[in-house]
Amino acid sequence: GAGVSQTPSNKVTEKGKYVELRCDPISGHTALYWYRQSLGQGPEFLIYFQGTGAADDSGLPNDRFFAVRPEGSVSTLKIQRTERGDSAVYLCASSYRRQDVLTFGAGSRLTVL
Amino acid sequence: SQQGEEDPQALSIQEGENATMNCSYKTSINNLQWYRQNSGRGLVHLILIRSNEREKHSGRLRVTLDTSKKSSSLLITASRAADTASYFCATDGIQGAQKLVFGQGTRLTINP
Repeated sequence: GAGVSQTPSNKVTEKGKYVELRCDPISGHTALYWYRQSLGQGPEFLIYFQGTGAADDSGLPNDRFFAVRPEGSVSTLKIQRTERGDSAVYLCASSYRRQDVLTFGAGSRLTVL
Repeated sequence: SQQGEEDPQALSIQEGENATMNCSYKTSINNLQWYRQNSGRGLVHLILIRSNEREKHSGRLRVTLDTSKKSSSLLITASRAADTASYFCATDGIQGAQKLVFGQGTRLTINP
């Protein structure tokens, strides 16, 4: 597609529920990144994919967070047993190759009540 | 953890004035990038400067990089109301680090 698409744009859920956030990167971009941004803060790195594999998942805060990219294109960020502290905007970005300029999606705003 | 630290955290100036934002980082880098974020939207890439470059221009933007001081500055000349946004620097790592690490950002307000 023309840009990075993220769905849903807004998600409100209850504490303890499971959430999936989807990212559709620019066609042909092999590198895909997930970041999390809290209000007034900079984006915080979560995970980076090169193709289908997670090349760096050092930013995932705990084992409730998991991400997949099974065919090297669309990626899904999965959050189990959500907590109120998970509330943030989750940003996806892609690039043609690693350490290139990133193109960001508009983000998915997650609110955990 | 945040690698880059922007300074100031907030900046408010009059339209037409120049705006300067600074970024400091901790480790050696391959390149440094500046991004802009309008309220509630995704980040947009502005400019990339490589570790072997000292200055780069793009339109009204001027970026400098001092690797000895591990710092960079972003200058926006002749500011416009539409420049109101948050500005972030982002750095990679020289030793094959995969990720871009962002700073906390500078919130720039241009007053008409």
